This record gives sequence, C-alpha cells and structure tokens, in this order.
Amino acid sequence: QVQLQESGPGLVKPSETLSLTCSVTGDSMRIYFWSWIRQPPGKGLEWIGFVNDSGSTNYNPSLKSRVTISVDTSRSQCSLRLSSVSAADTAVYYCARVARYSYGLGMDVWGHGTTVTVSS
Amino acid sequence: QSALTQPASVSGSPGQSITISCTGTSSDIGNFNYVSWYQQHPGKAPKLMIYDVNNRPSGVSYRFSGSKSDNTASLTISGLQAEDEADYFCGSYTSWSIFVFGTGTKLTVL
Repeated sequence: QVQLQESGPGLVKPSETLSLTCSVTGDSMRIYFWSWIRQPPGKGLEWIGFVNDSGSTNYNPSLKSRVTISVDTSRSQCSLRLSSVSAADTAVYYCARVARYSYGLGMDVWGHGTTVTVSS
Repeated sequence: QSALTQPASVSGSPGQSITISCTGTSSDIGNFNYVSWYQQHPGKAPKLMIYDVNNRPSGVSYRFSGSKSDNTASLTISGLQAEDEADYFCGSYTSWSIFVFGTGTKLTVL
C-alpha cells in the first residue's frame, strides 16, 4: 500500500524559502508523476505543479517564478521549494501521486498534508 | 489560468440525488475529457472520486458518477448518505499542460 508523507518546517519567515519533502513508501516512484497542492486556511485547493520520474516539471503559472519541484527516485522522495514567501503562502501543503490510469492528471494517492505558516 | 467555477454549497436529504456543477472554458473542460472530482472531509486529505470525466477508481461507491457537456462537468451523488457530507472539488487538465481545481462546493446532508 503506497503511502506519502510530507515533512518540513512548520514556520517560515517572510521572504525566505519554503522547503518540503514528500517521502514515498510501499511502491516505486518510477513511471509516476508527482504533484504538490496547497490549501490556505478555510479555502480551496491550489495546484502547484508536478514532476515526473525523469525530472520534467510543469508549474502553475501564478507560482512558476518562485517554485521548484524535483524528484529523487533513489531516495523515494519528491521535493518542493517555494522562494520569497509571504503570508499568502500560509497553507496546508499536500503531495499526491498522479494515477497511471488517468490521462487527465487525476491524483489517486495523497499525503496527510503539512501545515506551513509564514510569519516573522 | 482561473479556477473552475462551482456552486459554494448544495444540500440534499438522505436518499435523494444531488448534482454539483463545475464550469470551465474551452481551454480546459471544453477541450479535454480529463475532469476529476475529489471529496474532502474536514481536516482530511482529498480523495479521488472520479477521474477522466466518468471513471470511478476502485473502491469508490457506484453512487458517485460524473458527466460533461461542453464547458461544464457534473458530479452526481445518488442515494445520499450522511457520510457524503463533505467538500467537493473538481479539477481539469488544461491546454497549457497544467492542472486547475474548482472553487469547491460544500455538500450538506439535511
């Protein structure tokens, strides 16, 4: 049973870089796409971007200048870096696996999410 | 890329059927059969309920079904149950090879 676990600092200062890791257990990361999604308190879901097992990425245009998503299949990890953060980046951050059976990037396995607060 | 538009809330009584709409544009829903739907209970991660417009992942109840017409997708839940009370989000692949979520709908079971 594949499981995803997000980890990283729960508090980040404004203008600094947010760094999160998603650890994958129970299955190989190969041949899958991996997405990051966030959800500000009381609000909806926002897709951040995805990476495939070869390291190719695609990002939400509204975040593209600040986001880097990478994958390390040997360590079974996917990482998110978001630079120059502000209070607007406070959210629960999720990593999710894109289902192999979905052509439309449907995400079938999700981590529990990790809360990141941006504050001085 | 703007978020897809969903009604803020819908409600229904146990046993009834409800439908949640998700409106996009010709650059997303209208151009691809790649709409997915997610259920989210409070404090929990989202769960995939429908993928590629009308396909159910293994383990998802047959009471959940999806459809699409032009730029609007729909999620129908039949035989409404108390456990269906949750937030529902649609999502779609887009012409720019990215993904966009809907604004979300709160389903209340009366």
